[in-house]
Amino acid sequence: QVQLVESGGGVVQPGKSLRLSCLASGFTFNTYGLHWVRQAPGKGLEWVGVIWYDGSQKHYGESVKGRFTISRDNSKNMVFLQMDNLRAEDTALYYCARYYSEYDSLDYWGRGTLVTVSS
Amino acid sequence: SYELKQPPSVSVSPGQTARITCSGDAMPKQYAYWYQQKPGQAPVLVMYKDNERPSGIPERFSGSSSGTTVTLTISGAQAEDEADYYCQSEDSTSNWVFGGGTRLTVL
Repeated sequence: QVQLVESGGGVVQPGKSLRLSCLASGFTFNTYGLHWVRQAPGKGLEWVGVIWYDGSQKHYGESVKGRFTISRDNSKNMVFLQMDNLRAEDTALYYCARYYSEYDSLDYWGRGTLVTVSS
Repeated sequence: SYELKQPPSVSVSPGQTARITCSGDAMPKQYAYWYQQKPGQAPVLVMYKDNERPSGIPERFSGSSSGTTVTLTISGAQAEDEADYYCQSEDSTSNWVFGGGTRLTVL
């Protein structure tokens, strides 16, 4: 069955960096785009960005553009979110989710990993 | 930046019809998608491309679009449908945007 497992979250000081990972299984990883979506505590969903199936294209939300970088390693079935110059407002649960072209949307989500930016 | 506007809350009695709206200037040109999120769980897709239902989603869920507003309708809402619902679409640069979410209460 399809599984997405995020890891790498934790407490980090403002201005520091953190890298999140998402390990996928149960599907042909190198044929699917992957998205990152975050959710601040008690708040709504916010789109972070996407990486295409082959890594050829990446797009980011305005609030993270220039600070966050998405990459993937298709040999390891993993996608990464490198977060630099973190701010308090980046505190959130970070989900990775699979893009399904037939639905043109996200059909499987992980359970998320929590990032807390605090001094 | 582009915004999708949803009512913060909708409340219905069991068996009634719940309608959740989502408004955005680009809606006439872009599809809308709907996700359901229950407490402590990841979101689940319940509607795509305005009015298409994914496999496994009950028939009581339907979607429609008119002008700048899209609507998720739950006909005969059940207690298990109580959740937060988020619409999602794209802005003019093809970046994804989520609405602020609507809490559906069924009681």
